Amino acid sequence: GEDVEQSLFLSVREGDSSVINCTYTDSSSTYLYWYKQEPGAGLQLLTYIFSNMDMKQDQRLTVLLNKKDKHLSLRIADTQTGDSAIYFCAIRKGKLIFGQGTELSVKP
Amino acid sequence: GAVVSQHPSRVICKSGTSVKIECRSLDFQATTMFWYRQFPKQSLMLMATSNEGSKATYEQGVEKDKFLINHASLTLSTLTVTSAHPEDSSFYICSASSGSLTSGANVLTFGAGSRLTVL
Repeated sequence: GEDVEQSLFLSVREGDSSVINCTYTDSSSTYLYWYKQEPGAGLQLLTYIFSNMDMKQDQRLTVLLNKKDKHLSLRIADTQTGDSAIYFCAIRKGKLIFGQGTELSVKP
Repeated sequence: GAVVSQHPSRVICKSGTSVKIECRSLDFQATTMFWYRQFPKQSLMLMATSNEGSKATYEQGVEKDKFLINHASLTLSTLTVTSAHPEDSSFYICSASSGSLTSGANVLTFGAGSRLTVL
C-alpha cells in the first residue's frame, strides 16, 4: 500500500471535535507532521510530533501517536468554519512523504 | 517566522511556450528548496530537490529537460516549464527548510503555490 494513508473526507458540525486519522508504513521517521492547506494556497505547518512521544497538545490541536499500530491522529477541539481545509499528514523518509489529504468540511 | 514567496500565483500560457516560476525565501537562507506538483484533490508529489550552486536532483519519472530548475542564490530557486502542454497544467508548490536547529524537526516552509493553466 501507500506509505501514508488518510481518509479523504470528514464532515463535522461547528463546535464539535474533529479527528483526522493517518496510518503509515515506515516507522523510521523521527518526526511526523500535520499540514493544513486552504483552497488555492500552499501548505501551512500546523504541528509536528517527535516519534518518541505519544501525545502533543497545542491549544485546540491534539496529536496522538501510536507507534505500535503506526497510527497518527489530529484532533481539533471546538471546530470552527475557518478550520475547513485539507489536512495532510507527513512522515520523513529522506524526503517528506505526504498522505492524500483529508478534506475537512465544517457545517454551521 | 520563515516566509517563502512564490510568484506568479496564477499563470495562463499558450501551448508550446515556456513559463518560469520563482520561489524566494524572504528572511532566511535556503541551501535546499523543493518543488512539488499537486493535481486536484490529490497529494503533493515531489518533483525535484533544488540545491544552491549545483544541479537539481529529480525524482524518478520527472523529465529534467521539461522542468528546468535553477538555484542561483541562497534565497532564490526557479522552475521553468519548457514547451508547456495542457497536461502540464497543475498547481506547483515550492518549499524551503528554515533549518530549525533547536528542534531538529527540519520544518519546511511552503510557498503559496502557482496555478499553471496551459491552453
